[in-house]
Amino acid sequence: EAGVTQSPTHLIKTRGQQATLRCSPISGHTSVYWYQQALGLGLQFLLWYDEGEERNRGNFPPRFSGRQFPNYSSELNVNALELEDSALYLCASSPGQYSNQPQHFGDGTRLSIL
Amino acid sequence: QQQVKQSPQSLIVQKGGISIINCAYENTAFDYFPWYQQFPGKGPALLIAIRPDVSEKKEGRFTISFNKSAKQFSLHIMDSQPGDSATYFCAARTGTASKLTFGTGTRLQVTL
Repeated sequence: EAGVTQSPTHLIKTRGQQATLRCSPISGHTSVYWYQQALGLGLQFLLWYDEGEERNRGNFPPRFSGRQFPNYSSELNVNALELEDSALYLCASSPGQYSNQPQHFGDGTRLSIL
Repeated sequence: QQQVKQSPQSLIVQKGGISIINCAYENTAFDYFPWYQQFPGKGPALLIAIRPDVSEKKEGRFTISFNKSAKQFSLHIMDSQPGDSATYFCAARTGTASKLTFGTGTRLQVTL
């Protein structure tokens, strides 16, 4: 069974540009979570989608947004990129909002802002 | 507000020794406590998890000890091996399928 897959592996942008990161959850999982892992700051929760709806949002500015598609894959968009947005962006999935099952992570997208 | 505090930040243990990582939480609504292991260039992988109705859970060389009254939990790695060298994160969750709140991580190095 394939795990959570993320693309691209690396992404290099300049300040002010926009970035789009993609995530495919484990087959059968309907919940997708996005986390930011910045150097020295640990993993910070960004967004949670389930059944196409945004269920929860972390303490990040509105230029961080996303969506979930009918096949449960998800996209994270970051607008007006700032240097501080340089981080590893991790996607996780779980079976759904009523599930007690753990979240499983992909290997992330490394976003570098020049 | 950091809701899960993790210590130590880094740890060096000799092969065969016991590695101990501690976490403390503030939110009494947390009801699920997983530990994740992360190798460089990889995403976090679930290692072991516990719920507050259990004081200890063991899986192979990995044991979680949970103290509900003290709001603390810890990971013990017995017979530590060089292959265990990684960063370990404790986490906590409220209810089903909600977000994880992570500790800041412990970088473990197991020496020969």
